Amino acid sequence: DQQVKQNSPSLSVQEGRISILNCDYTNSMFDYFLWYKKYPAEGPTFLISISSIKDKNEDGRFTVFLNKSAKHLSLHIVPSQPGDSAVYFCAASVGAGNNRKLIWGLGTSLAVNP
Amino acid sequence: GAGVSQSPSNKVTEKGKDVELRCDPISGHTALYWYRQSLGQGLEFLIYFQGNSAPDKSGLPSDRFSAERTGGSVSTLTIQRTQQEDSAVYLCASSPTGSYGYTFGSGTRLTVV
Repeated sequence: DQQVKQNSPSLSVQEGRISILNCDYTNSMFDYFLWYKKYPAEGPTFLISISSIKDKNEDGRFTVFLNKSAKHLSLHIVPSQPGDSAVYFCAASVGAGNNRKLIWGLGTSLAVNP
Repeated sequence: GAGVSQSPSNKVTEKGKDVELRCDPISGHTALYWYRQSLGQGLEFLIYFQGNSAPDKSGLPSDRFSAERTGGSVSTLTIQRTQQEDSAVYLCASSPTGSYGYTFGSGTRLTVV
């Protein structure tokens, strides 16, 4: 049972346009959400996160929106650049202390075309 | 070290052989995770170590897979009698206690021929 779902396996956008990557979750106990970016032959790297008590977090070209009632979050990249082409993973955090763990989505492959 | 180090970066092995993959986490990180990513798939959780607690092995796909963490630092993931479906990138990550985010290594690409 996939608790964190990224329903679009791939996305293609033009350079300069907005990229919107979506993520849905089922567990209302998730209290923190993170986005990771992964280039080929590298491990995932942390991109941006949001606490469940907020609905928006912005960092430069990257903004994450959280809609708790819909159990939905999205990552907006604007303007998109060719270097943003990567696989983006949504992850949700649950538990406390030593029992805290991340639950991962399957990823969305973003291609930004020049 | 400055980051999570994994070795080897690439490993080609014959079906039926055993392999060992190594992970050096960031110094002081108490939590260590193993994941794998098969071609075209997402991150699959394998095992989680937290300090001196018993590891969470719930993601190991079969009894051919095992992992240990010595001295609360370096970890080795062992796959016995490898099969072709074991071919994947094996990723290790570490984090401080209770942290939300992980730092990943670059992974070991395992190919079973």
